[in-house]
Amino acid sequence: EPEVTQTPSHQVTQMGQEVILRCVPISNHLYFYWYRQILGQKVEFLVSFYNNEISEKSEIFDDQFSVERPDGSNFTLKIRSTKLEDSAMYFCASTGQGGGKIYEQYFGPGTRLTVT
Amino acid sequence: AQSVSQHNHHVILSEAASLELGCNYSYGGTVNLFWYVQYPGQHLQLLLKYFSGDPLVKGIKGFEAEFIKSKFSFNLRKPSVQWSDTAEYFCAVNPGGGADGLTFGKGTHLIIQP
Repeated sequence: EPEVTQTPSHQVTQMGQEVILRCVPISNHLYFYWYRQILGQKVEFLVSFYNNEISEKSEIFDDQFSVERPDGSNFTLKIRSTKLEDSAMYFCASTGQGGGKIYEQYFGPGTRLTVT
Repeated sequence: AQSVSQHNHHVILSEAASLELGCNYSYGGTVNLFWYVQYPGQHLQLLLKYFSGDPLVKGIKGFEAEFIKSKFSFNLRKPSVQWSDTAEYFCAVNPGGGADGLTFGKGTHLIIQP
């Protein structure tokens, strides 16, 4: 069964550094998402991406964050200057075709980001 | 904006007990409702979903959920739990279009004792 993959599984970085989290969504999917889960808290939506542009973003997704689909397979989340409070598990998700039909979102295994 | 409440943060049951996990949502329009499960060390997996039609939906591994529109609820049930059901369970919603980001509840940590 096709899966969403994410790399790395664990990233440790120093405060102020830039990080890029990578995701490979399921190949025929068209909508891509990033979520985060701070330890002990709920999963929170960050951003959705469709047709090479952001379609929706939450209040969390400020100017420090950006997303990109640099090629036909990868979907990346960049944090420009990490803060301690960015430490969290980051999940990528993707879902199938739109056109009014609703599909489930498939989640990747997550990248644990630790900012020191 | 929508929100999701899960009433039980930790639930401990014995094997073969019946399970019901509560989920209430707040949103004025049409919503899609989901239950996701996260087994220890694994990623989020969809248990079941409701978009329209029969409000009683059946999912994988013997789980089911009932959408009660008047109560804004989507409770998860299983008649007889197994030790392998030990996991974190998340209720989630998104608005009617279907491709929007999900709003999750805080999750319920379910422990099944053998």
